[in-house]
Amino acid sequence: GQNIDQPTEMTATEGAIVQINCTYQTSGFNGLFWYQQHAGEAPTFLSYNVLDGLEEKGRFSSFLSRSKGYSYLLLKELQMKDSASYLCAAASGGSYIPTFGRGTSLIVHP
Amino acid sequence: DAGVIQSPRHEVTEMGQEVTLRCKPISGHDYLFWYRQTMMRGLELLIYFNNNVPIDDSGMPEDRFSAKMPNASFSTLKIQPSEPRDSAVYFCASSDRPDYGYTFGSGTRLTVV
Repeated sequence: GQNIDQPTEMTATEGAIVQINCTYQTSGFNGLFWYQQHAGEAPTFLSYNVLDGLEEKGRFSSFLSRSKGYSYLLLKELQMKDSASYLCAAASGGSYIPTFGRGTSLIVHP
Repeated sequence: DAGVIQSPRHEVTEMGQEVTLRCKPISGHDYLFWYRQTMMRGLELLIYFNNNVPIDDSGMPEDRFSAKMPNASFSTLKIQPSEPRDSAVYFCASSDRPDYGYTFGSGTRLTVV
């Protein structure tokens, strides 16, 4: 099976930077996904990492270390609309079908 | 592109009744997924299809749950008989390349009383 761990809740200030960590334990690792989910809405795809390193996409960046079973999502220049749940998900066993973590609820305040 | 379309958006039913959830994937997407989300268990994969064929249904809780995909543009998830513990938001998602992520539908919020 898989085990994915991420903080339950984080708070941050508008305009600041926040890093959401995720650790995973899985066999046959095949990539790490991040999704954003606003309250009452569907998850939306943010990023996919399969190689070590940092990938930047606008204000959002995602980092992966396969040897450490660790990833983070970095959000810069936080906006109020970034308040949402951020789901970490790891794919394994040779497929791209991920198992999702419980999500980190990010609250951005003025 | 209308995205992934699910119906109904909300469903309230009595314990023991049959419930059918419907999904229309994005045209051209070969993969279709059914997920269930609850506060307690998070987002769980129930079953997924590739080219209309069920590939992995190990997440289906029990025999009360069944899913079909009769053609590339339609899938159903059926619960019979429904129980209060089935109350959750059920998401359908589709993809043409799962490593590019999925597109989720708006979900069906099911309440079984």
